[in-house]
Amino acid sequence: AQSVSQHNHHVILSEAASLELGCNYSYGGTVNLFWYVQYPGQHLQLLLKYFSGDPLVKGIKGFEAEFIKSKFSFNLRKPSVQWSDTAEYFCAVTSNNNDMRFGAGTRLTVKP
Amino acid sequence: GAVVSQHPSWVICKSGTSVKIECRSLDFQATTMFWYRQFPKQSLMLMATSNEGSKATYEQGVEKDKFLINHASLTLSTLTVTSAHPEDSSFYICSASRGVFYEQYFGPGTRLTVT
Repeated sequence: AQSVSQHNHHVILSEAASLELGCNYSYGGTVNLFWYVQYPGQHLQLLLKYFSGDPLVKGIKGFEAEFIKSKFSFNLRKPSVQWSDTAEYFCAVTSNNNDMRFGAGTRLTVKP
Repeated sequence: GAVVSQHPSWVICKSGTSVKIECRSLDFQATTMFWYRQFPKQSLMLMATSNEGSKATYEQGVEKDKFLINHASLTLSTLTVTSAHPEDSSFYICSASRGVFYEQYFGPGTRLTVT
């Protein structure tokens, strides 16, 4: 079955630490990949997306993600996190039928 | 641009009654709208996909007679929870897509509490 996996459920970091959140998917064929962020009490916002081209995608707020097709992965990275990055992060995948599936989410807590 | 609104943001209803939630794309035409359900500290679960002017496509396990979806125009979709029960209490989120590059824009969500 098609699925999206985020293996880190809760990550706790200190400010200025580097971040990497894992995302793996099991879809075959062409996929579009997304990372969304949900700040406390707010709605989902798009951080970045990959459709084609350069597998290293740069998003807002200093985030980036790398699509590694051979590993079916789309990990999210940020070199230096801030307290304001505390949020829930969701990886999502769509296939050709426009159906978006979300990972379980990773809660990031950044200690000031 | 690409703003999606939901109304109401929060609703409490009694068991057995029906509740309607609206989802609007404010500054673009959404050929496709999606309805999700999010339980506390869990991910979004797709409930149904609707295209303007046609019947919604429901995910497996979602009762279409209980969760009525109407996508009447390119800017409005409604979700009606019929004969609500306490187990229907959840956070309902809609999203809208122009349908070209599969990017979805999300609404702020509606918290439904059934007493």
